[in-house]
Amino acid sequence: QSALTQPASVSGSPGQSITISCTGTSSDIGAYNYVSWFQQHPGKAPKLIIYEVSSRPSGVPDRFSGSKSGNTASLTISGLQADDEGDYYCSSYRSGATLVVFGGGTKLTVL
Amino acid sequence: EVQLVESGGALVQPGGSLRLSCAASGFTLSSYWMHWVRQPPGKGLVWVSRISDGGGSTTYADSVKGRFAISRDNAKNILYLQMNSLRAEDTAVYYCVRDFGANRMDVWGQGTTVTVS
Repeated sequence: QSALTQPASVSGSPGQSITISCTGTSSDIGAYNYVSWFQQHPGKAPKLIIYEVSSRPSGVPDRFSGSKSGNTASLTISGLQADDEGDYYCSSYRSGATLVVFGGGTKLTVL
Repeated sequence: EVQLVESGGALVQPGGSLRLSCAASGFTLSSYWMHWVRQPPGKGLVWVSRISDGGGSTTYADSVKGRFAISRDNAKNILYLQMNSLRAEDTAVYYCVRDFGANRMDVWGQGTTVTVS
């Protein structure tokens, strides 16, 4: 069981928007603005797409956006494209022995 | 080009040992804290360990504490993970990851596969 809770799957049609939630606790998401999101295509390494809740690395389209409310973070992808299909993971710092926690991952299907 | 390249993954018997290496290029390793993250077959990402830029501070997940040791040779631009007393549940792809700060894991290697069987 992963430390952060994500839906197992989401889907959407090209051009639509989807949101993936990531629920943690007051020891991780609720305590820090150090939430990151990663995209992973099959057989590839994860790629950072959002850091510090809502910041985008250079080269990541502004169709990807992040937010946080309380103990829950969210990733929104607007204008879905076929290449957005893949697995998405959230991550947060956590106080205590386990420094970094990940969500279980969400499989995005573009219909 | 900023790059991380892992090596050292192999098939090993339970109770055995393995040392993973991660060679950094295109940036100065000594300027960054570094992590190891693993991904069991068909499953999600799991954080394993972190080391400070100078190597003086290390942190481990409870599942590997006392069995794994992270280290670095900044002169050679290489990160290591020494894995002892390996168990079947350690089977995974192991990634080395650069930490730009504040959980900004911005550069990932391609991964190296460890199979304990």
